[in-house]
Amino acid sequence: KNEVEQSPQNLTAQEGEFITINCSYSVGISALHWLQQHPGGGIVSLFMLSSGKKKHGRLIATINIQEKHSSLHITASHPRDSAVYICAVVRGTGNQFYFGTGTSLTVIP
Amino acid sequence: NAGVTQTPKFQVLKTGQSMTLQCAQDMNHNSMYWYRQDPGMGLRLIYYSASEGTTDKGEVPNGYNVSRLNKREFSLRLESAAPSQTSVYFCASSEAQGGETQYFGPGTRLLVL
Repeated sequence: KNEVEQSPQNLTAQEGEFITINCSYSVGISALHWLQQHPGGGIVSLFMLSSGKKKHGRLIATINIQEKHSSLHITASHPRDSAVYICAVVRGTGNQFYFGTGTSLTVIP
Repeated sequence: NAGVTQTPKFQVLKTGQSMTLQCAQDMNHNSMYWYRQDPGMGLRLIYYSASEGTTDKGEVPNGYNVSRLNKREFSLRLESAAPSQTSVYFCASSEAQGGETQYFGPGTRLLVL
């Protein structure tokens, strides 16, 4: 069983919709990352969280340490948001990332 | 700045052949990583280097070797390629270990026949 579970696996939305992607993990962590993988394959880091909430443009990431859960929200979704969104956690004091399998998002005009 | 660069972008090997994947970063980062990405699975760590001169095994090191040539460069070598090593390989770097943001290269698509 993967220590990092994401849901949904696939998501299709109409342009303008509010989108939520969820990440649950089963181990103690020191940080959680959200990454975006473009259709061409490139991977970029969106957020690093250890508590609370962060916002960047139309993207909002939250984490609940007690519930071992994080969400990534996209407001006013746009076709250019179509990508795979990946959750990764860093265990304890370690330096290794453990990745979820990703959520494939398609935003239709 | 180029960020993290990887060569080659695409490679086809026959079973038993060897090859080295090259990775370089120009951000003066201390830590570098090699991952593989397979369909239906998350990225998995092959090897990492927390700092120049050190390397450590990750989750799936079998069949691979690495060299941290200097602070900029971290190479991944397949001594005797197997079809199970068909994958997309990503190199990444971070300023330090301990969960810092990682910056990824564009990936190398490897097909082993």
